[in-house]
Amino acid sequence: SQTIHQWPATLVQPVGSPLSLECTVEGTSNPNLYWYRQAAGRGLQLLFYSVGIGQISSEVPQNLSASRPQDRQFILSSKKLLLSDSGFYLCAWSVSHKNQPQHFGDGTRLSIL
Amino acid sequence: GEDVEQSLFLSVREGDSSVINCTYTDSSSTYLYWYKQEPGAGLQLLTYIFSNMDMKQDQRLTVLLNKKDKHLSLRIADTQTGDSAIYFCAESMRDDKIIFGKGTRLHILP
Repeated sequence: SQTIHQWPATLVQPVGSPLSLECTVEGTSNPNLYWYRQAAGRGLQLLFYSVGIGQISSEVPQNLSASRPQDRQFILSSKKLLLSDSGFYLCAWSVSHKNQPQHFGDGTRLSIL
Repeated sequence: GEDVEQSLFLSVREGDSSVINCTYTDSSSTYLYWYKQEPGAGLQLLTYIFSNMDMKQDQRLTVLLNKKDKHLSLRIADTQTGDSAIYFCAESMRDDKIIFGKGTRLHILP
C-alpha cells in the first residue's frame, strides 16, 4: 500500500533563517505531488505541484520554492523565512491521471519567531 | 472563477445526524470529495462521488449530489464524539488540481 511521510512534524525557526521540509511517498511510481499551506482557521492554499522529476508549477508568488530531485521526493524550501510563512504545511500525492483523489501526509507545523 | 463554498461551523448532538452542505462552481468536475481533518493532522479522504451519480452510501456516511444546483452534502448518521473534526468539500478540476472549500468545523454536543 502507498504511504506518505512528512518531516519534521513541528519546527520553530527565527525570521530570516532557511527552511527545508521533506516529503516522500512509498508504494507508487510517478505520482503527482503537491505542497499546501493551511493558515490558522482557514482553508488550503496550493503552493506548488509537480507531475514529474524536475517539473514544478508554482501557484502563488512568494519566497518559497519547491524541488523534486527524485520521483517520490518533494522538498519545500526557503532561503529567508518571513513571519507570514508560519502555518501548517501539507504534502499530498495522487495517481498521475486526471481527477484522482489526493492523499495527504500528517503535516508540518511551522512557527516563525 | 472556481470556488467551493461551505458553512464554517455546525453543532450537532451526539446520536443525531449531521448534514454538511457544500456548493461548487465547475459543472465539468468529474469527482467531488469529502475530506476529514482531525486536530493537528493531515486531511483524510472520507469518500468521493463520481459526477454521474446522485447518491453514494458508505456505512454511516451518505453523499448526495445535485448536479443541477451544483450542491453536495455529507450526512453522518448517529454522530459520535469521534466525528468531531473539520470536513472539507472539494472538486476535481480539468488539470491535476483539486479545489477545496474552507472547511466546516463539526462540534458534537453531549
